[in-house]
This record gives sequence, C-alpha cells and structure tokens, in this order.
Amino acid sequence: GAVVSQHPSWVICKSGTSVKIECRSLDFQATTMFWYRQFPKQSLMLMATSNEGSKATYEQGVEKDKFLINHASLTLSTLTVTSAHPEDSSFYICSARLLPDGLTGELFFGEGSRLTVL
Amino acid sequence: RKEVEQDPGPFNVPEGATVAFNCTYSNSASQSFFWYRQDCRKEPKLLMSVYSSGNEDGRFTAQLNRASQYISLLIRDSKLSDSATYLCVVTPGTGFQKLVFGTGTRLLVSP
Repeated sequence: GAVVSQHPSWVICKSGTSVKIECRSLDFQATTMFWYRQFPKQSLMLMATSNEGSKATYEQGVEKDKFLINHASLTLSTLTVTSAHPEDSSFYICSARLLPDGLTGELFFGEGSRLTVL
Repeated sequence: RKEVEQDPGPFNVPEGATVAFNCTYSNSASQSFFWYRQDCRKEPKLLMSVYSSGNEDGRFTAQLNRASQYISLLIRDSKLSDSATYLCVVTPGTGFQKLVFGTGTRLLVSP
C-alpha cells in the first residue's frame, strides 16, 4: 500500500531551538498533507492542512508563526517548530491521502515524530 | 461536549472473548466514519471504514446508527495481537478534508 515516511522519529532539543520534521509520500503524489499532534492519552488533533504550492491552512488556536509548514513538492511537506518550549513536547504525525477527493481516499499516516524539549 | 467521544477503557479481556466498543459523535452532518487502530507510540492505521448498512471484516464488525449518532466496533474471538487503542474517527462534514479523532479505547487481551 501507499507509504508515508516521517523523519526524524525521535528528537530531543533544548528550549529555544527550532526543529524540522519531514513528511514524505514515498510512492504517490500528495497534493494535500495533514499535520496532527497527539499529547499523552489524548486524541490526535489536527494542526494544519498542508497544500502543495500554497499556504497551509491552520486550525483554530494553532500559531502559524510557531509551526511553519512548507509543502514545496508533491512528495514532501515539512513542519518546523520554531523556538520550541517544553510545552511543545508531543507526538507529531503527518498524513496524506492517496486520492485528492472523495470518500474512498484512505488517509495514510507517517510513523510519527516524538519531540522532547528540555 | 467533545466532537467524538469514546470510553477510554482499558478493556481487559481474555483471549477468545468478544468485546464491543462504542463511540458517539456530536455533529449530525458527519459524513464518514472509521475505526483506526493505534499501537503504543505508533501511528494510527486504518482498521475499517463504517458504512450505514454495517460491515464486517473477518472478526471485526462495525455498525453505524445515524439517528443516535453512534458507532460501534465488535471484535470476536479476541487475539493477543488485538491489544491496542482503537480510535473512532469521523469526518465532520462533506468532503474528506478533516478527520476528528476520539481519544481512543484501550484494549488489553490477556492469555
């Protein structure tokens, strides 16, 4: 099946630094990718929808200047957590849909990136 | 009220048992419904879609009740490998742009 790869799987950084997470669709083109965040024992929460060649659409309450999303190609979207703080520590997961529209497009998830900010 | 609500569990069952999970959603305009499985510290993976007429995939049966805004997942003959968190997922409106996840129900199957 379709594969979405995410890198890095784990990252530990100091407070105030920026961290970039990559999400790649390995065997299909994804015009739209989604970025989720999951805190322990909580739901996956959609942060933003990444659109190839245009600006990302952020969900309410998500700071676009803090979570920079770039979707420069049909196979790569990146999420940069700028000036990370301990409260940003979370599990970040990207996803992409095999089909651009319709109810049958299964959503494939990357393996997730666990960010720990010290 | 949360958009998608699930009993967090955990449900502790022996191998071979039948277990059922319930999920309710608040948006009556919701269009699509899914059950995802998430293993500890892993990404979610689609278990099955949920259709209006109900559907079955091997040991797994999903049901949808639009009038009550209720979704269920039944697992028969539980296996140790079924231990995971089961996420109820809903698209809140038309199209497929956004998935809303429940917090998940944790299942522990013991020998």
